[in-house]
Amino acid sequence: DIQMTQSPSSLSASVGDRVTITCRASQGISNYLAWFQQKPGKAPKSLIYAASSLQSGVPSKFSGSGSGTDFTLTISSLQPEDFATYYCQQYNSYPFTFGQGTRLEIK
Amino acid sequence: EVQLVESGGGLVQPGGSLRLSCAASGFTFSSYEMNWVRQAPGKGLEWVSYISSSGSTIYYADSVKGRFTISRDNAKNSLYLQMNSLRAEDTAVYYCARDRSSGGPHDYWGQGTLVTVSS
Repeated sequence: DIQMTQSPSSLSASVGDRVTITCRASQGISNYLAWFQQKPGKAPKSLIYAASSLQSGVPSKFSGSGSGTDFTLTISSLQPEDFATYYCQQYNSYPFTFGQGTRLEIK
Repeated sequence: EVQLVESGGGLVQPGGSLRLSCAASGFTFSSYEMNWVRQAPGKGLEWVSYISSSGSTIYYADSVKGRFTISRDNAKNSLYLQMNSLRAEDTAVYYCARDRSSGGPHDYWGQGTLVTVSS
């Protein structure tokens, strides 16, 4: 199985900051990488697929990049509604696997 | 509007069975691949199972293989997860999730249904 490792596990930032979350795959997955946002008590929400394609309706402040084994999610100009947990997921091969999550908290 | 509504969760004893359902609306269900994803309390996301649009191709996570069965009824716009031989570690919120038509996972998710396995 492909292991996905996110860093950091938690992150404190202020409103208006720009933050970057990284995700590393244990083997190459081309660009078969998705990012999800989850708020407490809610279902995950799709943000990005194919490493850098924005899900319809998601603001352009979210951006993704990477290919192979190393990927990043960048969120610019943080707003209060952006503080949540973020997960990456590889869909190169089954079983699809998620990273452990990155909790983004308000400083 | 795409809607996925899970039901069937609840409290069950270890070794017991439960059947989850996911009612889909707002899209042509028979054209989409579907999944179950779960989340144990306070933990991260775990992909559980996949079924193709016709039901002909199915995959499972090793943790549930041989105990869980995914199925669908395209005439009823419904997805199912039959869970047998349940264990305490199966306790989680179970989400159904649609895969995007152009490739790529989980563009829409249901609200989830909680399964608790405890004596």
